[in-house]
Amino acid sequence: DQQVKQNSPSLSVQEGRISILNCDYTNSMFDYFLWYKKYPAEGPTFLISISSIKDKNEDGRFTVFLNKSAKHLSLHIVPSQPGDSAVYFCAASVAGYGNKLVFGAGTILRVKS
Amino acid sequence: DADVTQTPRNRITKTGKRIMLECSQTKGHDRMYWYRQDPGLGLQLIYYSFDVKDINKGEISDGYSVSRQAQAKFSLSLESAIPNQTALYFCATSDPTGGETQYFGPGTRLLVL
Repeated sequence: DQQVKQNSPSLSVQEGRISILNCDYTNSMFDYFLWYKKYPAEGPTFLISISSIKDKNEDGRFTVFLNKSAKHLSLHIVPSQPGDSAVYFCAASVAGYGNKLVFGAGTILRVKS
Repeated sequence: DADVTQTPRNRITKTGKRIMLECSQTKGHDRMYWYRQDPGLGLQLIYYSFDVKDINKGEISDGYSVSRQAQAKFSLSLESAIPNQTALYFCATSDPTGGETQYFGPGTRLLVL
């Protein structure tokens, strides 16, 4: 069973607008969440993370929101830029369990100029 | 220079052949991981190692073996390759004092005919 789900395989957004990528999880033991970005022919690169003791974390244009009661997190990119076009993976872990990450299937983001 | 390198970057092999994928890192991290990515499934953990003497199976270890030759080197072997092992393979590292973030290599694209 998929413990981390990204239900939107793709998303298309106009440059300058907000991109919202969503992620749902089923395992209530998860207490740390990460977003990775992946360009073609490259490995995933860490983007932003959030601990379950927080409900929001910001880093420049990127903000992650966590709703523990709904087991849902989202990544907001504002404003979106063409260079943000990539595959975005949501990942979750149980802190202290050896950094084992469980990944979602990814969402392809296309930012149109 | 890249912190996490993988060789080869691309490999075509035949069913039944033994192949080895290699990973090296200069980040000085103790923890290393092997993942595979299949279309629509995200990244799945094959094996992970907390140090040279500590190797653990991940979600999908059947058909694979690993060797941790040194802190900086972690190899993945397919003893007898089969077509459904065709996938993109990623190596990753992490520092136990650095939270849950993992750092990925560029990947090896493997095709088993």
